[in-house]
Amino acid sequence: TQLLEQSPQFLSIQEGENLTVYCNSSSVFSSLQWYRQEPGEGPVLLVTVVTGGEVKKLKRLTFQFGDARKDSSLHITAAQPGDTGLYLCAGVDVGSNYKLTFGKGTLLTVNP
Amino acid sequence: NAGVMQNPRHLVRRRGQEARLRCSPMKGHSHVYWYRQLPEEGLKFMVYLQKENIIDESGMPKERFSAEFPKEGPSILRIQQVVRGDSAAYFCASSLGGGAPYEQYFGPGTRLTVT
Repeated sequence: TQLLEQSPQFLSIQEGENLTVYCNSSSVFSSLQWYRQEPGEGPVLLVTVVTGGEVKKLKRLTFQFGDARKDSSLHITAAQPGDTGLYLCAGVDVGSNYKLTFGKGTLLTVNP
Repeated sequence: NAGVMQNPRHLVRRRGQEARLRCSPMKGHSHVYWYRQLPEEGLKFMVYLQKENIIDESGMPKERFSAEFPKEGPSILRIQQVVRGDSAAYFCASSLGGGAPYEQYFGPGTRLTVT
């Protein structure tokens, strides 16, 4: 069974600060997706990373896929209250190519 | 709004009743996935369907749970004789194709409460 560990589990910061959250596994994934989920809603896809070492930027968010395709990080610059939410990483199983394995998420709170 | 639609958003059932959860995929998508999110747990894969076919149901409990995606109409996740442990958020996702690099887009979920 492939597992994804996310850290930290909870993060509370002030507006304007930078932060990094991590997603780690002992397994290789064919690709990895990051989602943000707000209370009472479904996960919203932020980005997909496919190639080992890949870096993608989405405005103030920077996503990196580890060289060995086992881990990923999400860095947010100058966090804003609107960034508050549960950030989930999900790996696509190499064997199935469609089955997503989710981490439990990092709950981020950005205080004004 | 051409996103993934799920209904109902909230469903309350008494133990022993049946629950039917519906999912209409994003326009143009023919691949549907169901996931379950238990309290304090991450989302877990349940089943992958294409029109009129179950491709992978390895995440479905062996009893009481079934899923279908008919030629016409939404995908249905059915839970018979619900028990309190079935209380969870059930999410449907859809994709344009199956497998990588097709990305899965999620609906808002159905929150099932079993009393």
